[in-house]
Amino acid sequence: EAQVTQNPRYLITVTGKKLTVTCSQNMNHEYMSWYRQDPGLGLRQIYYSMNVEVTDKGDVPEGYKVSRKEKRNFPLILESPSPNQTSLYFCASSGGFYSPLHFGNGTRLTVT
Amino acid sequence: AQSVTQLDSQVPVFEEAPVELRCNYSSSVSVYLFWYVQYPNQGLQLLLKYLSGSTLVKSINGFEAEFNKSQTSFHLRKPSVHISDTAEYFCAVNAGNMLTFGGGTRLMVKP
Repeated sequence: EAQVTQNPRYLITVTGKKLTVTCSQNMNHEYMSWYRQDPGLGLRQIYYSMNVEVTDKGDVPEGYKVSRKEKRNFPLILESPSPNQTSLYFCASSGGFYSPLHFGNGTRLTVT
Repeated sequence: AQSVTQLDSQVPVFEEAPVELRCNYSSSVSVYLFWYVQYPNQGLQLLLKYLSGSTLVKSINGFEAEFNKSQTSFHLRKPSVHISDTAEYFCAVNAGNMLTFGGGTRLMVKP
């Protein structure tokens, strides 16, 4: 089954404790992206990747890092999480920039 | 820069009634338009898209949207909603290699 898999689904952590949210897709997609969803703000793009070793900032990249060492994986790294990063995070992939996105089921992050 | 505005954050409607979810955008270049739906505790799923050709596009579950270039709109409509249509709907615009989402509209279908 074609899918985007994110882990974990829920994560509670404390300020400053480094964490990684994993994302993997099995569709051989070149394009992958991370979004955060906040009430009333819709989805805002954090980082995206057009291909292996090619990443770029989205609208809200501050406080986040990504890497794309393999085509299928695109982890999101928070080196020093802060409470304002409490949010619902989605990973997505597509076969091309103008193709529809396939989304994971989300990771709800709480930073206390 | 482009922007997407979904004019209603919540739309309550009774089952079998028609509904329209509004989406307006601003962009200085040609656009591709999408509607995504998010059911509770799930990721977003593509509902329908406009890339080119006919300005009226339809989904398999009865939704349709019309691209209106002069009014820069891409409103989503359904003539008769079901309880199962309760979800959050997001309009998205892809223009000049940037994809921007609207703030979302929560459709609440009541029996």
